[in-house]
Amino acid sequence: KQEVTQIPAALSVPEGENLVLNCSFTDSAIYNLQWFRQDPGKGLTSLLLIQSSQREQTSGRLNASLDKSSGRSTLYIAASQPGDSATYLCAVRTIAGNMLTFGGGTRLMVKP
Amino acid sequence: GAGVSQSPRYKVAKRGQDVALRCDPISGHVSLFWYQQALGQGPEFLTYFQNEAQLDKSGLPSDRFFAERPEGSVSTLKIQRTQQEDSAVYLCASSLLGMSEGEQFFGPGTRLTVL
Repeated sequence: KQEVTQIPAALSVPEGENLVLNCSFTDSAIYNLQWFRQDPGKGLTSLLLIQSSQREQTSGRLNASLDKSSGRSTLYIAASQPGDSATYLCAVRTIAGNMLTFGGGTRLMVKP
Repeated sequence: GAGVSQSPRYKVAKRGQDVALRCDPISGHVSLFWYQQALGQGPEFLTYFQNEAQLDKSGLPSDRFFAERPEGSVSTLKIQRTQQEDSAVYLCASSLLGMSEGEQFFGPGTRLTVL
Protein backbone atom coordinates (compact mmCIF):
# COMPACT_ATOMS: atom_id res chain seq x y z
CA LYS A 1 0.00 0.00 0.00
CA GLN A 2 1.32 3.42 -0.97
CA GLU A 3 2.33 5.65 1.93
CA VAL A 4 3.20 9.33 1.56
CA THR A 5 5.11 11.28 4.19
CA GLN A 6 5.72 15.01 4.34
CA ILE A 7 8.44 16.68 6.36
CA PRO A 8 8.32 19.01 8.17
CA ALA A 9 4.76 18.96 9.46
CA ALA A 10 4.96 22.68 10.18
CA LEU A 11 7.33 25.45 9.21
CA SER A 12 7.58 29.12 10.16
CA VAL A 13 9.93 31.41 8.24
CA PRO A 14 10.47 35.15 7.85
CA GLU A 15 9.37 36.78 4.64
CA GLY A 16 11.89 36.58 1.80
CA GLU A 17 13.42 33.23 2.68
CA ASN A 18 13.76 30.44 0.16
CA LEU A 19 12.39 27.16 1.49
CA VAL A 20 12.08 23.50 0.64
CA LEU A 21 9.20 21.17 1.48
CA ASN A 22 9.84 17.44 1.34
CA CYS A 23 7.64 14.56 0.27
CA SER A 24 8.51 10.86 0.21
CA PHE A 25 6.52 7.87 -1.02
CA THR A 26 7.02 4.14 -0.61
CA ASP A 27 5.84 2.76 -3.98
CA SER A 28 7.77 4.20 -6.93
CA ALA A 29 5.33 2.76 -9.48
CA ILE A 30 3.46 6.03 -9.99
CA TYR A 31 1.79 7.84 -12.88
CA ASN A 32 2.36 11.30 -11.51
CA LEU A 33 2.78 13.46 -8.43
CA GLN A 34 0.85 16.62 -7.62
CA TRP A 35 1.54 19.43 -5.18
CA PHE A 36 -1.50 21.24 -3.78
CA ARG A 37 -2.10 24.27 -1.63
CA GLN A 38 -4.95 24.35 0.89
CA ASP A 39 -6.03 27.50 2.68
CA PRO A 40 -7.99 27.17 5.96
CA GLY A 41 -11.56 26.06 5.33
CA LYS A 42 -11.00 25.86 1.59
CA GLY A 43 -10.54 23.16 -1.01
CA LEU A 44 -7.31 22.15 -2.73
CA THR A 45 -5.62 24.27 -5.38
CA SER A 46 -3.30 22.40 -7.69
CA LEU A 47 0.14 23.99 -7.91
CA LEU A 48 2.22 21.62 -10.00
CA LEU A 49 1.77 18.23 -11.65
CA ILE A 50 4.83 16.15 -12.49
CA GLN A 51 4.39 13.12 -14.73
CA SER A 52 6.47 10.05 -13.87
CA SER A 53 8.70 10.64 -16.90
CA GLN A 54 9.54 14.18 -15.82
CA ARG A 55 12.08 15.35 -13.29
CA GLU A 56 10.79 18.81 -12.47
CA GLN A 57 8.14 21.42 -13.12
CA THR A 58 8.25 25.17 -12.54
CA SER A 59 5.55 27.77 -12.07
CA GLY A 60 6.58 31.26 -11.06
CA ARG A 61 8.38 31.11 -7.72
CA LEU A 62 7.59 27.41 -7.33
CA ASN A 63 9.76 24.53 -8.49
CA ALA A 64 8.94 20.89 -7.87
CA SER A 65 11.34 18.04 -8.49
CA LEU A 66 10.70 14.32 -8.68
CA ASP A 67 13.12 11.46 -8.10
CA LYS A 68 10.89 8.50 -8.74
CA SER A 69 13.49 5.81 -8.09
CA SER A 70 14.21 7.09 -4.60
CA GLY A 71 10.58 7.96 -3.88
CA ARG A 72 11.15 11.64 -3.22
CA SER A 73 9.83 15.00 -4.31
CA THR A 74 10.65 18.50 -3.16
CA LEU A 75 8.74 21.75 -3.53
CA TYR A 76 11.00 24.78 -3.60
CA ILE A 77 9.47 28.18 -2.88
CA ALA A 78 11.64 31.15 -3.72
CA ALA A 79 11.43 34.51 -1.96
CA SER A 80 8.56 33.50 0.30
CA GLN A 81 5.72 35.96 0.97
CA PRO A 82 3.07 36.13 3.70
CA GLY A 83 0.50 35.18 1.07
CA ASP A 84 2.25 31.82 0.72
CA SER A 85 1.03 30.87 4.20
CA ALA A 86 -1.10 27.75 3.79
CA THR A 87 -0.93 23.97 4.06
CA TYR A 88 0.96 22.28 1.23
CA LEU A 89 0.00 18.74 0.31
CA CYS A 90 1.73 16.32 -2.00
CA ALA A 91 -0.13 13.43 -3.57
CA VAL A 92 0.89 10.55 -5.81
CA ARG A 93 -1.18 8.63 -8.33
CA THR A 94 -0.06 5.04 -8.02
CA ILE A 95 -0.22 2.66 -10.98
CA ALA A 96 -1.95 0.09 -8.79
CA GLY A 97 -4.94 2.38 -8.31
CA ASN A 98 -6.57 5.45 -9.82
CA MET A 99 -6.80 7.55 -6.72
CA LEU A 100 -4.41 10.07 -5.26
CA THR A 101 -2.64 9.12 -2.04
CA PHE A 102 -1.88 12.20 0.04
CA GLY A 103 0.71 13.07 2.60
CA GLY A 104 -0.30 14.71 5.85
CA GLY A 105 0.74 18.15 4.63
CA THR A 106 3.17 20.86 5.71
CA ARG A 107 1.66 23.91 7.43
CA LEU A 108 3.65 26.92 6.31
CA MET A 109 3.62 30.28 8.02
CA VAL A 110 5.51 33.16 6.40
CA LYS A 111 5.91 36.06 8.80
CA PRO A 112 6.07 39.66 7.54
CA GLY B 1 -19.16 25.54 -14.96
CA ALA B 2 -15.85 27.15 -14.16
CA GLY B 3 -14.84 24.63 -11.55
CA VAL B 4 -15.98 21.78 -9.36
CA SER B 5 -18.82 22.79 -7.08
CA GLN B 6 -20.13 21.05 -4.00
CA SER B 7 -23.24 21.52 -1.91
CA PRO B 8 -23.99 22.09 0.82
CA ARG B 9 -20.76 23.73 1.97
CA TYR B 10 -21.59 22.98 5.60
CA LYS B 11 -23.85 20.33 7.07
CA VAL B 12 -24.67 19.65 10.69
CA ALA B 13 -26.41 16.36 11.40
CA LYS B 14 -27.58 14.65 14.52
CA ARG B 15 -26.15 11.22 15.11
CA GLY B 16 -28.26 8.67 13.28
CA GLN B 17 -29.48 11.01 10.54
CA ASP B 18 -28.91 10.34 6.85
CA VAL B 19 -27.08 12.97 4.76
CA ALA B 20 -26.54 13.51 1.04
CA LEU B 21 -23.64 15.48 -0.36
CA ARG B 22 -23.63 16.70 -3.94
CA CYS B 23 -20.79 17.21 -6.39
CA ASP B 24 -21.00 18.98 -9.74
CA PRO B 25 -17.79 18.22 -11.67
CA ILE B 26 -16.32 20.33 -14.42
CA SER B 27 -18.41 19.82 -17.55
CA GLY B 28 -17.09 17.03 -19.72
CA HIS B 29 -14.81 15.54 -17.09
CA VAL B 30 -14.81 11.77 -17.30
CA SER B 31 -13.43 10.88 -13.90
CA LEU B 32 -14.86 11.80 -10.51
CA PHE B 33 -13.36 11.08 -7.11
CA TRP B 34 -14.56 11.45 -3.52
CA TYR B 35 -12.12 11.97 -0.66
CA GLN B 36 -12.56 12.35 3.10
CA GLN B 37 -10.34 14.76 5.03
CA ALA B 38 -10.23 14.56 8.80
CA LEU B 39 -9.08 17.61 10.74
CA GLY B 40 -5.33 18.18 10.42
CA GLN B 41 -4.80 15.30 8.00
CA GLY B 42 -4.45 14.81 4.28
CA PRO B 43 -7.44 13.67 2.24
CA GLU B 44 -8.11 9.94 1.95
CA PHE B 45 -9.66 8.26 -1.06
CA LEU B 46 -13.24 7.01 -0.81
CA THR B 47 -14.46 6.11 -4.30
CA TYR B 48 -13.92 6.68 -8.04
CA PHE B 49 -16.24 6.91 -11.05
CA GLN B 50 -15.45 6.84 -14.72
CA ASN B 51 -18.54 8.28 -16.38
CA GLU B 52 -21.44 6.52 -14.60
CA ALA B 53 -19.47 3.42 -13.64
CA GLN B 54 -18.17 3.16 -10.09
CA LEU B 55 -14.82 1.50 -10.72
CA ASP B 56 -13.37 1.61 -7.23
CA LYS B 57 -15.12 1.88 -3.88
CA SER B 58 -12.37 0.36 -1.80
CA GLY B 59 -11.99 3.47 0.37
CA LEU B 60 -15.57 3.63 1.61
CA PRO B 61 -15.23 3.06 5.38
CA SER B 62 -18.45 1.14 5.89
CA ASP B 63 -21.63 0.01 4.19
CA ARG B 64 -23.27 3.17 5.53
CA PHE B 65 -21.48 5.06 2.77
CA PHE B 66 -22.93 4.97 -0.73
CA ALA B 67 -22.07 6.99 -3.85
CA GLU B 68 -23.73 7.27 -7.23
CA ARG B 69 -23.29 9.09 -10.53
CA PRO B 70 -26.27 7.88 -12.54
CA GLU B 71 -25.87 10.04 -15.65
CA GLY B 72 -22.11 10.37 -15.63
CA SER B 73 -22.07 13.97 -14.44
CA VAL B 74 -23.40 14.99 -11.00
CA SER B 75 -22.51 12.66 -8.14
CA THR B 76 -24.04 12.19 -4.71
CA LEU B 77 -22.32 10.75 -1.65
CA LYS B 78 -24.83 9.44 0.86
CA ILE B 79 -24.06 8.57 4.45
CA GLN B 80 -26.70 6.63 6.36
CA ARG B 81 -27.10 6.63 10.14
CA THR B 82 -24.29 9.15 10.61
CA GLN B 83 -21.83 8.66 13.47
CA GLN B 84 -19.54 11.19 15.14
CA GLU B 85 -16.50 9.66 13.45
CA ASP B 86 -18.03 10.64 10.10
CA SER B 87 -17.33 14.30 10.91
CA ALA B 88 -14.86 15.49 8.27
CA VAL B 89 -14.56 17.52 5.10
CA TYR B 90 -15.73 15.60 2.05
CA LEU B 91 -13.90 16.63 -1.11
CA CYS B 92 -14.89 15.91 -4.67
CA ALA B 93 -12.44 16.03 -7.59
CA SER B 94 -12.79 15.56 -11.32
CA SER B 95 -10.38 15.07 -14.17
CA LEU B 96 -10.79 15.25 -17.90
CA LEU B 97 -9.05 12.07 -18.84
CA GLY B 98 -9.30 8.52 -17.64
CA MET B 99 -7.08 6.44 -15.50
CA SER B 100 -3.49 7.53 -15.55
CA GLU B 101 -3.33 10.97 -17.03
CA GLY B 102 -4.98 14.13 -16.03
CA GLU B 103 -4.75 16.61 -13.27
CA GLN B 104 -7.44 16.35 -10.63
CA PHE B 105 -9.37 19.53 -9.87
CA PHE B 106 -10.95 19.79 -6.45
CA GLY B 107 -14.13 21.39 -5.20
CA PRO B 108 -14.32 23.47 -2.01
CA GLY B 109 -15.59 20.52 0.02
CA THR B 110 -18.53 19.91 2.33
CA ARG B 111 -17.75 20.17 6.02
CA LEU B 112 -19.91 17.61 7.86
CA THR B 113 -20.32 17.86 11.60
CA VAL B 114 -22.16 15.05 13.36
CA LEU B 115 -23.38 15.93 16.84
